[in-house]
Amino acid sequence: DGGITQSPKYLFRKEGQNVTLSCEQNLNHDAMYWYRQDPGQGLRLIYYSQIVNDFQKGDIAEGYSVSREKKESFPLTVTSAQKNPTAFYLCASSQGTGGNEKLFFGSGTQLSVL
Amino acid sequence: KQEVTQIPAALSVPEGENLVLNCSFTDSAIYNLQWFRQDPGKGLTSLLLIQSSQREQTSGRLNASLDKSSGRSTLYIAASQPGDSATYLCAWDTGRRALTFGSGTRLQVQP
Repeated sequence: DGGITQSPKYLFRKEGQNVTLSCEQNLNHDAMYWYRQDPGQGLRLIYYSQIVNDFQKGDIAEGYSVSREKKESFPLTVTSAQKNPTAFYLCASSQGTGGNEKLFFGSGTQLSVL
Repeated sequence: KQEVTQIPAALSVPEGENLVLNCSFTDSAIYNLQWFRQDPGKGLTSLLLIQSSQREQTSGRLNASLDKSSGRSTLYIAASQPGDSATYLCAWDTGRRALTFGSGTRLQVQP
């Protein structure tokens, strides 16, 4: 089945620790995105990538880092510099960023701080 | 700053009612507007995409309209069912970067 796979579903972070959230897609999409969702709120853009080996900061990039070494993979690292990391993290992809592309989402990772 | 506002924040209706969810955005430079559904603890599922040159899109019992001049979109759900219970989010695309999302309307359809 084609789709986006996020892992793990639940993740716990200790203070001062970096953690990495995985996102893999087999839709052959060029563009991939990371969003953060806090309870009762909409999605806020962390990072996005339009093509392999290129990525751009979103609205709330501080304390996060990404890489895009392969078309199908866009991992997100939550660093110790992110002081309030508890949230639901969603990865998405689209064929491009031309402006009329449907967005496909993974099932999300819930990150909590111990 | 570009913003998307959704009203109401929450809605509870009896089964069978027709209902309207509202979405407003601050910039008329729009490529498209999308409506998504989110079930608790899950990712988002795309429902409808309206391009800037279109006025509405329909899929089954769902109809979404777009009025660029007033900066508004509505999602109309006909003959609501308990399975429609979810959070509905609209998202606005200016074609420059990535979608800007509203905070959503949480819908509960009572059997």
